[in-house]
Amino acid sequence: EPEVTQTPSHQVTQMGQEVILRCVPISNHLYFYWYRQILGQKVEFLVSFYNNEISEKSEIFDDQFSVERPDGSNFTLKIRSTKLEDSAMYFCASSKGSGTNYEQYFGPGTRLTVT
Amino acid sequence: GQQLNQSPQSMFIQEGEDVSMNCTSSSIFNTWLWYKQEPGEGPVLLIALYKAGELTSNGRLTAQFGITRKDSFLNISASIPSDVGIYFCAGRSHTSGTYKYIFGTGTRLKVLA
Repeated sequence: EPEVTQTPSHQVTQMGQEVILRCVPISNHLYFYWYRQILGQKVEFLVSFYNNEISEKSEIFDDQFSVERPDGSNFTLKIRSTKLEDSAMYFCASSKGSGTNYEQYFGPGTRLTVT
Repeated sequence: GQQLNQSPQSMFIQEGEDVSMNCTSSSIFNTWLWYKQEPGEGPVLLIALYKAGELTSNGRLTAQFGITRKDSFLNISASIPSDVGIYFCAGRSHTSGTYKYIFGTGTRLKVLA
């Protein structure tokens, strides 16, 4: 069964450094998403992406964040200058369409630790 | 912003017992979903509900979409040890032409053998 994959599974970085989290969505899906989950808390929406542009972003997704689909398979989340409070699990999700019956499928996540 | 409140926050039950958890919101959602998350993994979709009043089953799991569209519940019958995990409800919000999920606060389930 096709699934969303994410790399790396765990990333440790120093405060102020740039990180890129990578996702390979399910191959015939057209909509892509990033969510984050701070340890012990709920999953929070960051951004949705369709047709090579951001469709919607939350207040968490500030100028330090950017997303890109550099080729036909990868979907990346870049954090330009990491802060301690960026430490969280970051989940990528994808869906075939947008609307009823087009559910989002989540990847296993990347644990980002900022020291 | 939109918030989903889940209860209970955590449950310790004996294997074989039935479990019930619910999710409420002050906002209306057109779709409710239930996910399970195990440690170190992403949320896995259990059940999706699309119509007010809908009752849907998936094996030992049953979920209902509240008539008011502001709540949903999930029941697990005859729990087993592998039911351990965190269960999240999610409402699908449609703004600016796209859909995003608003997640609940989660119910942590522990099953004692």
